Amino acid sequence: AQSVTQLDSQVPVFEEAPVELRCNYSSSVSVYLFWYVQYPNQGLQLLLKYLSGSTLVKGINGFEAEFNKSQTSFHLRKPSVHISDTAEYFCAVNGRGTDKLIFGTGTRLQVFP
Amino acid sequence: DAGVIQSPRHEVTEMGQEVTLRCKPISGHNSLFWYRQTMMRGLELLIYFNNNVPIDDSGMPEDRFSAKMPNASFSTLKIQPSEPRDSAVYFCASKPTGARTEAFFGQGTRLTVV
Repeated sequence: AQSVTQLDSQVPVFEEAPVELRCNYSSSVSVYLFWYVQYPNQGLQLLLKYLSGSTLVKGINGFEAEFNKSQTSFHLRKPSVHISDTAEYFCAVNGRGTDKLIFGTGTRLQVFP
Repeated sequence: DAGVIQSPRHEVTEMGQEVTLRCKPISGHNSLFWYRQTMMRGLELLIYFNNNVPIDDSGMPEDRFSAKMPNASFSTLKIQPSEPRDSAVYFCASKPTGARTEAFFGQGTRLTVV
């Protein structure tokens, strides 16, 4: 079984500041990892994913994430946020050999001017 | 493709009534998922199908909830009878089969049970 923990339910930050959204996972098998973003009143859309290879993954809108197998983490980062990055961010895990995509509880990123 | 299509977008119903949520996945996607989103519990996986067959329904909260996928282009989630605690946003998502693939989400159905 897999599970995902997003410890921060809300992250307030000022515009142009850096941000890190934390994600830790638990799994008995190897996994693929994803970050999705949800803008208000919309469905989720993919930001980036880690499948294999380089542990640093770059996604859309200037976001990147780093896979750390020893710490079972997949933290999301952006060096300089914009007001338009205000949204809910979800980390997700999919165990190899299954189709079961499990999400964390989400982190609300609020960017202030 | 128009993406994953859910209907209705909003549903308000009285406690005890039957509610049916509908989903049309992206053509060619073999896997379909139903999620429920609430403030308290985040995004919970209720059930998922592969090639129209339910694979894992361990997230379905009670027998009041049921889901079907009669063909590759249509799925329903039914709640009977509905209760106020079922109020949430319900999302349908689809993707090609495989753990590496991206899931595409519908816009969701906001259900309010009064």
